[in-house]
Amino acid sequence: QSALTQPASVSGSPGQSITISCTGTNSDVGGYNFVSWYQQNPGRAPKLIIYDVTNRPSGVSDRFSGSKSGNTASLTISGLQTEDDADYYCCSYRGGSGKVVFGGGTKLTVL
Amino acid sequence: EVKLVESGGGLVQPGGSLRLSCAASGFTVSSTYMSWVRQAPGKGLEWISIIYSSGNVYYSESVQGRFTVSRHNSENILYLQMDSLRPEDTAVYFCARSIYDIRKGYYFDDWGQGTLVTVSS
Repeated sequence: QSALTQPASVSGSPGQSITISCTGTNSDVGGYNFVSWYQQNPGRAPKLIIYDVTNRPSGVSDRFSGSKSGNTASLTISGLQTEDDADYYCCSYRGGSGKVVFGGGTKLTVL
Repeated sequence: EVKLVESGGGLVQPGGSLRLSCAASGFTVSSTYMSWVRQAPGKGLEWISIIYSSGNVYYSESVQGRFTVSRHNSENILYLQMDSLRPEDTAVYFCARSIYDIRKGYYFDDWGQGTLVTVSS
């Protein structure tokens, strides 16, 4: 069982918006603003799309946005495109351990 | 341009050893933080280790005592020595340049393509 909880799958149609949740505890998601999100296509390496809860790396579309409330972080993708069809993973620093933990991943299907 | 290329994966018997390499270009491995992250077939990502620029190394409980991270500074290569391998270590192993600091955050901003390790008799 993964340390952070994500829905196994979400789906949406092109142009719509979707949100993927990532639930942890006070020791990780809720305790620190160190949540990151990664996009992974089949057979490929993960790609950083959000860091420190809300920040986007250079070159990442502004259709991707991150937020957090309590022990749950969220990734929102607006204006869905077929190229967004991929797996998405959240990750958080866990205090007291000096380590990071990942969510189990969410498969996004763009219908 | 930052580039990371892993190599060294393959088939190994339970109890055996394997050494993975991660060749870096576009930056200096010894000046930054580098992590190993693995992904079992059809499963999610699992962080397993980080080496600080200072040389300090930390491991997840799942590999502590069996895996060792090191680097060859002049060659700009990161290594993962894996001993006492178990079937559950079967995974694609990625190296990743990391930001790992309470002041800057904790995330992985560049990844290699991964190398597959299969532990089976």
